[in-house]
Amino acid sequence: KNEVEQSPQNLTAQEGEFITINCSYSVGISALHWLQQHPGGGIVSLFMLSSGKKKHGRLIATINIQEKHSSLHITASHPRDSAVYICAVRLRETSGSRLTFGEGTQLTVNP
Amino acid sequence: NAGVTQTPKFQVLKTGQSMTLQCAQDMNHEYMSWYRQDPGMGLRLIHYSVGAGITDQGEVPNGYNVSRSTTEDFPLRLLSAAPSQTSVYFCASSYWRENNEQFFGPGTRLTVL
Repeated sequence: KNEVEQSPQNLTAQEGEFITINCSYSVGISALHWLQQHPGGGIVSLFMLSSGKKKHGRLIATINIQEKHSSLHITASHPRDSAVYICAVRLRETSGSRLTFGEGTQLTVNP
Repeated sequence: NAGVTQTPKFQVLKTGQSMTLQCAQDMNHEYMSWYRQDPGMGLRLIHYSVGAGITDQGEVPNGYNVSRSTTEDFPLRLLSAAPSQTSVYFCASSYWRENNEQFFGPGTRLTVL
């Protein structure tokens, strides 16, 4: 069993819909990252959080440390949001910057 | 700043050939790492470095070597390529302190025939 599980694996939405991607982890962590991988392959960091909630534009990330769960929400989705969204955690047992990754969620937003 | 750069973007090798994937960053980051990405699997750590002269193995190090002679450069060497090494390779860097954003290179798509 992976230490980081994402759901769903694939998600198709219509433009304008509210989208939620979930990430669960099984061990203690010091931080959780949400990354976006564009269709061309590049990976960019969206959020890094260790508690609470962060918002950037139409993207919102939340984390519940007690439940070992995080969600990434996209409001008013747009076709340009189509990408793979990856959850990654920094395990508390490791130091520094090492990350453990989920398999990713492929999001397709249709016009 | 150029950020994290990788070369080449695409490469085809024959089984048994060797090659080096280049990675460089201009952000003075201590931490650099190499990942491979395969269908149906998350990014997996191959090797990492926390500073010049210091490297360590990740989850899947077999068949790969690294060195870190400068802060900027972190090349990944395939000693004798195998079809199982067909993958997309990403280099990333960040400051070593905890809870820092990681910056990724554009990736190298490698095919081993």
